[in-house]
Amino acid sequence: EDQVTQSPEALRLQEGESSSLNCSYTVSGLRGLFWYRQDPGKGPEFLFTLYSAGEEKEKERLKATLTKKESFLHITAPKPEDSATYLCAVAYNYQLIWGAGTKLIIKP
Amino acid sequence: DTGVSQNPRHKITKRGQNVTFRCDPISEHNRLYWYRQTLGQGPEFLTYFQNEAQLEKSRLLSDRFSAERPKGSFSTLEIQRTEQGDSAMYLCASSPPADYEQYFGPGTRLTVT
Repeated sequence: EDQVTQSPEALRLQEGESSSLNCSYTVSGLRGLFWYRQDPGKGPEFLFTLYSAGEEKEKERLKATLTKKESFLHITAPKPEDSATYLCAVAYNYQLIWGAGTKLIIKP
Repeated sequence: DTGVSQNPRHKITKRGQNVTFRCDPISEHNRLYWYRQTLGQGPEFLTYFQNEAQLEKSRLLSDRFSAERPKGSFSTLEIQRTEQGDSAMYLCASSPPADYEQYFGPGTRLTVT
């Protein structure tokens, strides 16, 4: 069965303390892995698409990487405004299969 | 800004009433998706359209839910005889042709009392 698992469920960091979020997936014929950011009460905001193992994408303090079984979202020197839930999804046909998200809290 | 828009943003209704939500996708996007999301969970797929055709509907979706996209532009999601378990955030997203990325609207928060 195709599925996406994110870990940890929640992560509390001090401002400036770098870390990584994990997204592991089992899907036949990956057509893309997507990272989104979601603030409370809002819709998910698109961050990155990764298509093949070894690919990396960066945006400000965020860097996403992809292997054949998992993706990591690395957060370097985070700031309080990076606090949000980060969602991972994989494409299957023209649908996305979603993980439950990692809630990231950055303390000043 | 021509992002995805949803109306209303919030809806409070009494159990048993019908509600309808509207989604206006990004203009050049041909696919439109509806999701439901509850606290602490990822979006749960409900249905999607390619142009005006409804191509897939979740097997978990009750017959009380129906969606339309009559001219391949905006879409409506109707919930009949609402139940307290329908309380959730309803999200709409759209995708451009030949691409898998989905762009979301702000959502409609439904509360059934």
